Formats: sequence, C-alpha cells, structure tokens
Amino acid sequence: GNSVTQMEGPVTLSEEAFLTINCTYTATGYPSLFWYVQYPGEGLQLLLKATKADDKGSNKGFEATYRKETTSFHLEKGSVQVSDSAVYFCAWTDSWGKLQFGAGTQVVVTP
Amino acid sequence: DTAVSQTPKYLVTQMGNDKSIKCEQNLGHDTMYWYKQDSKKFLKIMFSYNNKELIINETVPNRFSPKSPDKAHLNLHINSLELGDSAVYFCASSPMRADTQYFGPGTRLTVL
Repeated sequence: GNSVTQMEGPVTLSEEAFLTINCTYTATGYPSLFWYVQYPGEGLQLLLKATKADDKGSNKGFEATYRKETTSFHLEKGSVQVSDSAVYFCAWTDSWGKLQFGAGTQVVVTP
Repeated sequence: DTAVSQTPKYLVTQMGNDKSIKCEQNLGHDTMYWYKQDSKKFLKIMFSYNNKELIINETVPNRFSPKSPDKAHLNLHINSLELGDSAVYFCASSPMRADTQYFGPGTRLTVL
C-alpha cells in the first residue's frame, strides 16, 4: 500500500487564504521528508525538506515540520497567491534513495 | 544553465515501436533516477544508478532498459511500446544515494 497519505484534492481557495495540506507517512527509521511542487505543464520542483524530527523546512512562505510522534509533515502557507496553484506532493526517501510519493494534492487559488 | 535536462520533451509513437529518452545532469551528482508519472499524477520510481551501477530496479517490464554511459547521463530505452506506457517520465539526480533529488522537466510519451 501507499506509504504516504495526503489529503485528496482539489483544494480550492481564494487568494490570501490559509492553506494546509495534510501528509502522514509510514516508514521505518528516520527518513528525510520532502514537499515537491508541480506547476501546470512543468516538472517537479523541490519546495522544502526536513531531515530529522522537529526540523522545520521553509521556502517561499511555505512551512512544514517533521513530527515523528504523529508521523506527519503537514504543509502550510499563511496567505496563498494565484501563482501557488499547482499539485503538491509529499514524499520520503528510504536508504536506497527511493522517493515514496503521496498521490499529490491539487491546489487551485482563485483571485 | 539547466541542471537536469531530458530529451525529447514530447514523444508520440505507434505501438510496437522502440524509443529512447535521454537524461543529462550537470550538477556533478553521483546518483540518477527514472520515475514514471501516470495519468492520475501518481509517481513511481523505476530505476536508479549510482556511479553507473544499477542500484534500484523496481518491478518494471523488461521492455524497459536503462543505460548509464557515465555519471552525468542516464538513458531509458523502451522496446515494443504498449498503450499503457503512455505517461510522463521524469529523470532526477542527487549528490549521493538517499540525498535530495532534483528533477528534470519530464518527457511526455504518448503511444497510439
């Protein structure tokens, strides 16, 4: 089964709204955790990452905190823009480098 | 400068044909990967090479064969293409195994 669970989309928000995308993972040990973003028609871009428990990754106003006790890595942004419309993927990597992706959450931000 | 590049960006071909996708990275990374993204956007790893050595080989039909002529290149050859091979294929690289991966722009393969 899928070892990364993300909230299903699409998530539709108005500009300046608060965004949360929940992500929980199933993994042994202490994997590194990632959020990748895929803008329409483009490839995957690394948004942020965290490599150990309680680390907070942040970039472009997005944040996520590695919570080992709840095996979660929820993505948040305080005020979204239309340009944040994209598909967001939560992922973790095993010791071999296999990135295990969630199913992706489409975010649509309207003016 | 493009860090991870793929060619071609689009590939449309007939069932039964053989095709190749090329990937190059200029980041000096040791490890490269191929991922497949299906029509529902789900991403799954196919292969990984570390210093030209195959280290990940997922359950992929043997019609798919990766080749790494050097650390900076990882190509994907597909024989006898089938309709179900239609997808977007992404190449990625990382400084070393299990490190942060950087993705190419993808190759959209359409099999008719």
